[in-house]
Amino acid sequence: GESVGLHLPTLSVQEGDNSIINCAYSNSASDYFIWYKQESGKGPQFIIDIRSNMDKRQGQRVTVLLNKTVKHLSLQIAATQPGDSAVYFCAENPGGYNKLIFGAGTRLAVHP
Amino acid sequence: DVKVTQSSRYLVKRTGEKVFLECVQDMDHENMFWYRQDPGLGLRLIYFSYDVKMKEKGDIPEGYSVSREKKERFSLILESASTNQTSMYLCASSLEGQKPQHFGDGTRLSIL
Repeated sequence: GESVGLHLPTLSVQEGDNSIINCAYSNSASDYFIWYKQESGKGPQFIIDIRSNMDKRQGQRVTVLLNKTVKHLSLQIAATQPGDSAVYFCAENPGGYNKLIFGAGTRLAVHP
Repeated sequence: DVKVTQSSRYLVKRTGEKVFLECVQDMDHENMFWYRQDPGLGLRLIYFSYDVKMKEKGDIPEGYSVSREKKERFSLILESASTNQTSMYLCASSLEGQKPQHFGDGTRLSIL
């Protein structure tokens, strides 16, 4: 909800610019990764996922990049819009019953 | 679209009460999860279930129990509510294997 964004790093971008949100994951055994978007007052919403046998996956206006060597994940949003303003979480699955480990999140603020 | 429905958006209860939070999903998902979300602490897994009547402890199960009598419904129970259980509670569900979890919009629970 509205308190989710407290204590989070914030990325501020101009409307129309591209955004890049970064995430360092913790477990070298993780082989499945997800990005979520959480708007104020709502639950996390699935954006895009990627498996460890890929290093790039594209969706509509979004691209996820995976660098397993340095355990780094990024989400690129093209032509950022005001509706993209939210908190973004990465999540990793180290295996077993689809349990996820969530990152702390990044707040994206889009300015007109 | 996957629909995960949590029975209440806001709930206020008193210390010592037994509290039930209900979650229903309509996509025949095998896995269901309960998280709590607190500022600065992110999403923390309380319990999850991978099948009817099956449950596994997550990272913070103390003070909570769960029930899964039917595939579509997963209940979180606070046996004797305490003020430190004031939080946003999120339910999620997923198919088996490496599939994204889909979240409800959360229940903001206040324990007075």
